[in-house]
Amino acid sequence: AQSVTQPDIHITVSEGASLELRCNYSYGATPYLFWYVQSPGQGLQLLLKYFSGDTLVQGIKGFEAEFKRSQSSFNLRKPSVHWSDAAEYFCAVAGTDKLIFGTGTRLQVFP
Amino acid sequence: GAGVSQSPSNKVTEKGKDVELRCDPISGHTALYWYRQSLGQGLEFLIYFQGNSAPDKSGLPSDRFSAERTGGSVSTLTIQRTQQEDSAVYLCASSLPPGGEQYFGPGTRLTVT
Repeated sequence: AQSVTQPDIHITVSEGASLELRCNYSYGATPYLFWYVQSPGQGLQLLLKYFSGDTLVQGIKGFEAEFKRSQSSFNLRKPSVHWSDAAEYFCAVAGTDKLIFGTGTRLQVFP
Repeated sequence: GAGVSQSPSNKVTEKGKDVELRCDPISGHTALYWYRQSLGQGLEFLIYFQGNSAPDKSGLPSDRFSAERTGGSVSTLTIQRTQQEDSAVYLCASSLPPGGEQYFGPGTRLTVT
């Protein structure tokens, strides 16, 4: 069955520090992978996506993610976190239709 | 409009009442999805419409939940005889090709008292 695991429920970093949010997926074929961000009281905004090709994908707001098939992972990274990055982050996998989401990682940023 | 819109933004209802939630997808998007976001359950898929095909209802939690999409555009999610466990944020998304990038609306926060 398709599934997504985000092992970190809550992460706290200092502003300016680097960030890596983990995501592991289970999917029988080549997955379509996504990272979404949800700020408090807001809807979901797409940060980046992987469909095929280059395994390192760039997204908005300075985020990037790397698809590693051997590890079934699609970790999200940012070299220097800003206070405005505090939000909840969701990894998702899609087949031909619906998205299967992970449980999310809440990011807290300290000044 | 430029994005997916949903109405109402907030809905408070009494247990046992029926509610209707509306979604206006991005113009031209053929695929429309409903998800539910609740504490303890995360983001759950509910139902998916693609063009004129029969919808994928595999995520609907009970027969109290139904949805329709008229004219391939606007969709309405109906919950009959609401229960307290139906309290959640209901999110709608649309995409141009199925499986492509999904654009989400701001959601409807449903509270059942």
